[in-house]
Amino acid sequence: AQSVTQLGSHVSVSEGALVLLRCNYSSSVPPYLFWYVQYPNQGLQLLLKYTSAATLVKGINGFEAEFKKSETSFHLTKPSAHMSDAAEYFCAVSESGNTGKLIFGQGTTLQVKP
Amino acid sequence: EAGVAQSPRYKIIEKRQSVAFWCNPISGHATLYWYQQILGQGPKLLIQFQNNGVVDDSQLPKDRFSAERLKGVDSTLKIQPAKLEDSAVYLCASSFDRATYEQYFGPGTRLTVT
Repeated sequence: AQSVTQLGSHVSVSEGALVLLRCNYSSSVPPYLFWYVQYPNQGLQLLLKYTSAATLVKGINGFEAEFKKSETSFHLTKPSAHMSDAAEYFCAVSESGNTGKLIFGQGTTLQVKP
Repeated sequence: EAGVAQSPRYKIIEKRQSVAFWCNPISGHATLYWYQQILGQGPKLLIQFQNNGVVDDSQLPKDRFSAERLKGVDSTLKIQPAKLEDSAVYLCASSFDRATYEQYFGPGTRLTVT
């Protein structure tokens, strides 16, 4: 069965610094991979998705993620953090079998310090 | 395009009471999902509908939870009777084509059981 591990439940960066949120997945077949962001008291918003095209995926708000099959990773990065990036971030992997089901990681809270 | 609508946004009930949540998906989205998100965790799928039929309810505690999507559009999730451990955010999501795995989330309903 697929699973997702997000390394680090809390990440703190200074404004303007690089953001790196880690995600590793386990899947027996090439999956679809997603990053979602959740702001306080809101639902999840899709940041970006990997669907077996380009391995470097660009998303909204300056975020991007790179699919590395050899490392089973899909880490999320942003070159320069902004205060508005403070939120919870979830990595998700598709369940095989065309089910439409996503398996979510535990989430990483990003804190941005001024 | 209107997003996924959910109501109420917040609900406080006592244990053993009943509660219902409503969700209206994005127009034209055939697949609808209900998730439970406990504080500090990722969303956990409770039930998945394809039009008005249930695709997956393996994680739904059927002794107290029920859900329906009678006309293949909006959906209701009910808890009866509620337990303290049901305190969570209940998220509804919808998808146009489950083969893409791309889900769009509503703002959620925060349930507190006292």
